[in-house]
Amino acid sequence: DAGVIQSPRHEVTEMGQEVTLRCKPISGHDYLFWYRQTMMRGLELLIYFNNNVPIDDSGMPEDRFSAKMPNASFSNLKIQPSEPRDSAVYFCASSRTKNEQFFGPGTRLTVL
Amino acid sequence: TQLLEQSPQFLSIQEGENLTVYCNSSSVFSSLQWYRQEPGEGPVLLVTVVTGGEVKKLKRLTFQFGDARKDSSLHITAAQPGDTGLYLCAGYSGTYKYIFGTGTRLKVLA
Repeated sequence: DAGVIQSPRHEVTEMGQEVTLRCKPISGHDYLFWYRQTMMRGLELLIYFNNNVPIDDSGMPEDRFSAKMPNASFSNLKIQPSEPRDSAVYFCASSRTKNEQFFGPGTRLTVL
Repeated sequence: TQLLEQSPQFLSIQEGENLTVYCNSSSVFSSLQWYRQEPGEGPVLLVTVVTGGEVKKLKRLTFQFGDARKDSSLHITAAQPGDTGLYLCAGYSGTYKYIFGTGTRLKVLA
């Protein structure tokens, strides 16, 4: 059974460029989460969806960040324009119940 | 703002030793999860505790939820190199939002 799939695994880009991170949740999971992990701030929730609808985006740092979930099997997180301080590992997670979350392997983003 | 402080931040021990990691908050959580994360991978759920005072065991790992549901501990007996990783606690604050702790980085030396 495939877990949460994220792509790309690594992304290196220059400041000002648009970055798109992709996620395929586990089939049948109604909830999808986007997190960001840095050494300084740990693991932070950016946004989560329920049945493809954004429920809480209060963790999205600013307007440069946007996330969509066009269907139950795909979500993307976009950063436009990217800045060096956006460098982090971005995780996608999915769940069926409140007592579990399954994380993807993450995308390591480096903005030069 | 709800915060989850973990202690210690770093721990380096010899194989066979016992250790305890703590997760503390001033807020009450309806449930709490523990994860282990290895380099280059996402966190993997180890356990969820729901009831105040609850104790759960997973082989050599023992998890306890505080009576007031504000804190939790993870005890590892006879640590092995395979236990090396970043241990994260996460409190459930309602509406499917989880607050993650600051993390404890454990290294077990052979």
